[in-house]
Amino acid sequence: GEDVEQSLFLSVREGDSSVINCTYTDSSSTYLYWYKQEPGAGLQLLTYIFSNMDMKQDQRLTVLLNKKDKHLSLRIADTQTGDSAIYFCAESMGRDDKIIFGKGTRLHILP
Amino acid sequence: DVKVTQSSRYLVKRTGEKVFLECVQDMDHENMFWYRQDPGLGLRLIYFSYDVKMKEKGDIPEGYSVSREKKERFSLILESASTNQTSMYLCASKQGTSTDTQYFGPGTRLTVL
Repeated sequence: GEDVEQSLFLSVREGDSSVINCTYTDSSSTYLYWYKQEPGAGLQLLTYIFSNMDMKQDQRLTVLLNKKDKHLSLRIADTQTGDSAIYFCAESMGRDDKIIFGKGTRLHILP
Repeated sequence: DVKVTQSSRYLVKRTGEKVFLECVQDMDHENMFWYRQDPGLGLRLIYFSYDVKMKEKGDIPEGYSVSREKKERFSLILESASTNQTSMYLCASKQGTSTDTQYFGPGTRLTVL
């Protein structure tokens, strides 16, 4: 079945790069997303990538997609305290408009 | 900007009560979704709707029902609340094509005593 896996916690020092990893099982995924959830708030779309792309960069964010290994990563350069949040990886099949979410990775910033 | 609003940020109810969670979006989106979010379990889809008066079961519909009488409003109903329905409830909406993403409301934290 459809499944999205990601580690639950990541700790990074302020100023370092954060890399959050995600694996998915359905090779027919058409879109892959990264959402950010700050404490007490809903999910906010950070970025997304089409399945025919390998990389997408947007300011401090870099998304890498390895379609062969079904592996998606989000790199945050120069991590700041404001980046502290839960990051959700998600995939869309393109059919029936459902999005499958991972359980979320809590990013903790060390001073 | 897309805006998805939920009627309450925090709600406390008693076991057996009927509970209504309201969600409103202002961008004429066709699709609306209700999720619950629990620690260690991520987001789980309860129900979704493609259009007015249409509804589809998600992954965990048991104990819930929904209503979509108007395009902008999608209500989640707990007919008889139970303690295991204590959770964060998130509403989302999106346009009808698969290229669009979901926009989320701020969430309602429901506690059932």
